[in-house]
Amino acid sequence: EAQVTQNPRYLITVTGKKLTVTCSQNMNHEYMSWYRQDPGLGLRQIYYSMNVEVTDKGDVPEGYKVSRKEKRNFPLILESPSPNQTSLYFCASSLFPGTVKRDQYFGPGTRLLVL
Amino acid sequence: RKEVEQDPGPFNVPEGATVAFNCTYSNSASQSFFWYRQDCRKEPKLLMSVYSSGNEDGRFTAQLNRASQYISLLIRDSKLSDSATYLCVAPAYSGGGADGLTFGKGTHLIIQP
Repeated sequence: EAQVTQNPRYLITVTGKKLTVTCSQNMNHEYMSWYRQDPGLGLRQIYYSMNVEVTDKGDVPEGYKVSRKEKRNFPLILESPSPNQTSLYFCASSLFPGTVKRDQYFGPGTRLLVL
Repeated sequence: RKEVEQDPGPFNVPEGATVAFNCTYSNSASQSFFWYRQDCRKEPKLLMSVYSSGNEDGRFTAQLNRASQYISLLIRDSKLSDSATYLCVAPAYSGGGADGLTFGKGTHLIIQP
């Protein structure tokens, strides 16, 4: 089954404790992206990757890191989480990053609470 | 980044009615647009793509007006299961090419029995 998976789905942590949210897709997509969704603010892009070893900042990259060592994986790293990073996070992937066919497939989301 | 704007609603509509909502975009270079549907606490899922003047899929019709820079979504014979948040999406461009998607904040639709 074609899908985007994220882990963990739910996470409660404390300020300053490094964490990683994994994202994996099995569709051989080149383009992958991370978003956060907050009430009243909608979906905002954190980082995206056009291909292996190619990553770039989105709208709200501060406090986050990513890596793209393999095509299928795109982990999101919070080196020192803070309470303002409490949010719902979505990973997404797309087959054609540079053409009109840019519909993205989303993972199920990760709910993060930073105390 | 250029923005995509939507009326947040909520739109309260009786079952069986026709409902339409618009989305405006500010980047005139955008060529393709999308409507995503998002149920509460779930991931967004693609509903329709719009590449030219419009697209129809069953009870759903999406239309694009490039001159006025808006996209519309029309839902006919609305069902209770249509209750959701509808996200308008446009490509985000910077420099030499498309580098992501810009999402509107969504329009909340409630279909009432």
